[in-house]
Amino acid sequence: DTAVSQTPKYLVTQMGNDKSIKCEQNLGHDTMYWYKQDSKKFLKIMFSYNNKELIINETVPNRFSPKSPDKAHLNLHINSLELGDSAVYFCASRFGPYTEAFFGQGTRLTVV
Amino acid sequence: KNEVEQSPQNLTAQEGEFITINCSYSVGISALHWLQQHPGGGIVSLFMLSSGKKKHGRLIATINIQEKHSSLHITASHPRDSAVYICAVRSNTGNQFYFGTGTSLTVIP
Repeated sequence: DTAVSQTPKYLVTQMGNDKSIKCEQNLGHDTMYWYKQDSKKFLKIMFSYNNKELIINETVPNRFSPKSPDKAHLNLHINSLELGDSAVYFCASRFGPYTEAFFGQGTRLTVV
Repeated sequence: KNEVEQSPQNLTAQEGEFITINCSYSVGISALHWLQQHPGGGIVSLFMLSSGKKKHGRLIATINIQEKHSSLHITASHPRDSAVYICAVRSNTGNQFYFGTGTSLTVIP
């Protein structure tokens, strides 16, 4: 049983398209995150949700919109994809702010 | 200048060696995390620290809040420890997270 699962694992799409990446955790955690890892392997937090409410929203273009239908899911929707959006996107979850985080396996997004 | 600096950037060690990776940060923090990213890309959270020291198997993490410094030690290193180790901090003002650029460790048999 995968604790934090992301789909798809790979996504290749053309510029201008709209795409979604899904994330689900079965750990009962109340906080979920989206991170972006660029080509230089630098990790950066994008969003954090706690109990379906947005609590962190770093400087991310508004083409990126997280959606949390329930505590176990945090999906990332991206509009009008650009070449610079190509990266690996990681979802993570934790129970409360002072506990270990569990990461999904990552989604490699390539915009062509 | 990055809020979190790690050293070294790259490290090659012989199997069995004791390894230390350092992390210095410049902001006030509520917690510090050590992450391990495997060659396949998967990320595992190793430790979360707010003070003192934690040990898990051959891994030990320490933090000195006054000096704004943390170290990750690996005893009796093994080739399967080869990975990128990332230090991350959560600031104590607001909810910002800052990440180091990672230390790439290769352990040679």
